[in-house]
Amino acid sequence: DQQVKQNSPSLSVQEGRISILNCDYTNSMFDYFLWYKKYPAEGPTFLISISSIKDKNEDGRFTVFLNKSAKHLSLHIVPSQPGDSAVYFCAASRRASGTYKYIFGTGTRLKVLA
Amino acid sequence: SAVISQKPSRDICQRGTSLTIQCQVDSQVTMMFWYRQQPGQSLTLIATANQGSEATYESGFVIDKFPISRPNLTFSTLTVSNLSPEDSSIYLCSVKPGQGYQETQYFGPGTRLLVL
Repeated sequence: DQQVKQNSPSLSVQEGRISILNCDYTNSMFDYFLWYKKYPAEGPTFLISISSIKDKNEDGRFTVFLNKSAKHLSLHIVPSQPGDSAVYFCAASRRASGTYKYIFGTGTRLKVLA
Repeated sequence: SAVISQKPSRDICQRGTSLTIQCQVDSQVTMMFWYRQQPGQSLTLIATANQGSEATYESGFVIDKFPISRPNLTFSTLTVSNLSPEDSSIYLCSVKPGQGYQETQYFGPGTRLLVL
């Protein structure tokens, strides 16, 4: 059972435009969500996170939106740059469990076209 | 954040052998984890490496196949035993530096394993 899903395996966007990456989850007990970026031959790099008590968190060009009723989160990148081309993973965890385990989605490969 | 290194960065192994992967962190961290990313798949948690005690394994992963050590707060090893081609994956170490709700995990560069 895939508790965290990224239904778009790939996305292409023109440089300067907005990139929107989506993530859905099924477990309503998740209370913390994160986005990671991964380049080939490197480990995932933390981008941005959001707690379930918020519906938006912004850090520079990156904004994460959380819709708890829909069990959906999205990552917006504005403006998109060629260096943003990578695989993006969303992850969810239950802080209340105290285990700090992350459940990852399957990833979306973003390609920003110059 | 923490600076994390892994050795080896990649290896090619024969089936039936074992590979031990090292994870070194530049500062003491509260928690260390081992993940696997099979080709085209997501990251899957193998186990939580506990300092001074046995690792906590996730469903589908067992100590005999993936023995883990964590002798101190900056170092851990993962051994993948009795290798088969299905073990060909990227193995990633991650750490949670902070206490309590300082939640973010940081990942090492990964070890790419190919089993022939």
